[in-house]
Amino acid sequence: GESVGLHLPTLSVQEGDNSIINCAYSNSASDYFIWYKQESGKGPQFIIDIRSNMDKRQGQRVTVLLNKTVKHLSLQIAATQPGDSAVYFCAEREGSNQGGKLIFGQGTELSVKP
Amino acid sequence: DAMVIQNPRYQVTQFGKPVTLSCSQTLNHNVMYWYQQKSSQAPKLLFHYYDKDFNNEADTPDNFQSRRPNTSFCFLDIRSPGLGDAAMYLCATSRDLTGAGEQYFGPGTRLTVT
Repeated sequence: GESVGLHLPTLSVQEGDNSIINCAYSNSASDYFIWYKQESGKGPQFIIDIRSNMDKRQGQRVTVLLNKTVKHLSLQIAATQPGDSAVYFCAEREGSNQGGKLIFGQGTELSVKP
Repeated sequence: DAMVIQNPRYQVTQFGKPVTLSCSQTLNHNVMYWYQQKSSQAPKLLFHYYDKDFNNEADTPDNFQSRRPNTSFCFLDIRSPGLGDAAMYLCATSRDLTGAGEQYFGPGTRLTVT
């Protein structure tokens, strides 16, 4: 069946460095992708999204890249800060003919060393 | 200014004793979702309501049911909790199933089964 998975379950970076979190998806019909940040004991928090007709989108300190050819999604965080420490989930939305539900990837735990 | 509110934040129930978790939203969104999230895992969709239309995921156990009496409120009922049902339960909302796909999550209710 369709699945969304992350390559790296944990990522440790030095404060101030850039972070890259990767995600692979398998459903070529997915039309929308989201990155969520989840801090311990809290619900997922929206970071950035991208539609399938785009290949790059930038936010404040974050950039999402979408490569539909290889079904790969990445989240780049510039100048990573201790407050960025959390678990990051990518999620894909199945096409509208599938009801539009989100499927979440495994999650990557980002640890920022001061 | 909480937009998706979940009560209680922590719930302890006994094995086999019915329990209800509640969710309310101030966003006036059409769709409300319930997810189950176990430790170090991604959120797993149990079901969702689009307005009053209930949509159950194929692999959601019959033990889990939901009610949505009005736009603002949605409840998760676990008829006979087992030890394996201990998890974080997340409520989320979205304006629609297609178009803007962002889902807004509540803080979650952590359920313990003794």
